Amino acid sequence: GPKVLQIPSHQIIDMGQMVTLNCDPVSNHLYFYWYKQILGQQMEFLVNFYNGKVMEKSKLFKDQFSVERPDGSYFTLKIQPTALEDSAVYFCASSLPGQGYTEVFFGKGTRLTVV
Amino acid sequence: GQGVEQPDNLMSVEGTFARVNCTYSTSGFNGLSWYQQREGHAPVFLSYVVLDGLKDSGHFSTFLSRSNGYSYLLLTELQIKDSASYLCAVSHPNYNVLYFGSGTKLTVEP
Repeated sequence: GPKVLQIPSHQIIDMGQMVTLNCDPVSNHLYFYWYKQILGQQMEFLVNFYNGKVMEKSKLFKDQFSVERPDGSYFTLKIQPTALEDSAVYFCASSLPGQGYTEVFFGKGTRLTVV
Repeated sequence: GQGVEQPDNLMSVEGTFARVNCTYSTSGFNGLSWYQQREGHAPVFLSYVVLDGLKDSGHFSTFLSRSNGYSYLLLTELQIKDSASYLCAVSHPNYNVLYFGSGTKLTVEP
């Protein structure tokens, strides 16, 4: 079936440094998302991106976070600077656009550890 | 706000059934999805419901009552490999944003 690919699978970074998480969405999808899941806790919505713009974001999407998809390449989540509480698994997802519901496909996640 | 609630844990026996409950109170509703998630893996889509009633998909069935803000996922003829976390997610009309419950960890015992 359709796959969302995330690179890397694990990342360890020093607090205060910048990190970029990469996502290759399903090829014909146009809605892109990032979700955050702290180990053993709830999957939480961060941001939705469509047509080159952030359409929806949650309170968790701090000023230090940014997303982009330059020229149809990877959909990225950048955190600058990182903080200890940013340690979590970040899941990228994508779906087709439409008025009604369309299935949302998730990647395997990037485990980010901020030390 | 977006409130989606699930029990943390559920135990059942191989060959029987398990019902995973979900209640929700959200500012918008465009259906409810169920996902299976194993430790360290991506959520895997199981089912989507938007109309009231029971939707039978074989090993998995899902029920929805919109007036009560309630859904359940029913797994029948349980196997040990059904042990996993089951996530309930309400879809918001804006851009298919999903609001998840905390997940129910199902343990199937021999």
